[in-house]
Amino acid sequence: GQQVMQIPQYQHVQEGEDFTTYCNSSTTLSNIQWYKQRPGGHPVFLIQLVKSGEVKKQKRLTFQFGEAKKNSSLHITATQTTDVGTYFCAGPNYGGSQGNLIFGKGTKLSVKP
Amino acid sequence: AAGVIQSPRHLIKEKRETATLKCYPIPRHDTVYWYQQGPGQDPQFLISFYEKMQSDKGSIPDRFSAQQFSDYHSELNMSSLELGDSALYFCASLLLKGEGTDTQYFGPGTRLTVL
Repeated sequence: GQQVMQIPQYQHVQEGEDFTTYCNSSTTLSNIQWYKQRPGGHPVFLIQLVKSGEVKKQKRLTFQFGEAKKNSSLHITATQTTDVGTYFCAGPNYGGSQGNLIFGKGTKLSVKP
Repeated sequence: AAGVIQSPRHLIKEKRETATLKCYPIPRHDTVYWYQQGPGQDPQFLISFYEKMQSDKGSIPDRFSAQQFSDYHSELNMSSLELGDSALYFCASLLLKGEGTDTQYFGPGTRLTVL
């Protein structure tokens, strides 16, 4: 069945270091979304990428959608303690109705001050 | 801006008891999703409703049921609770009609503890 895989599962960095999480889909996606979940919180929508090769930036966060629309990455430059949390990618679940998402397992980021 | 509201935020139940979780989607949103999230896990899709009709069914146990009401709020009913049902339950809402977007907005969640 359709799968969305994320690596790494965990990442521990020193504050100021960069961080990247990778998302790979078993199928071509019409779009991919990224969510952040702080410890004890709920997933919060960050961004949606739609176009092949698209790159979007939000301050220190850079999101990329692969040319084949099967992979994506989130890169954080110079991490801060406020970046701590789990980052999930999600794509449309083609086995479900429109709007149904399939989530990756997430990458849990911890930042040491 | 109004967000998704879930109640209660915390719930403690005994084994074999029942629980009802409520979700109030963002105003005008027509679609509701329920997820279960265990510790360190990704959200597992349970069930969804579009315009008060069930649209998708995921890994929802037969002991659970849900519905969406005329005011678009949704309730997740859980019976014969088991220890393994202890988890965070999220509701997410989406405006599907006319928007063509898949962006789901999550509520703060209900933390269910079964003792």
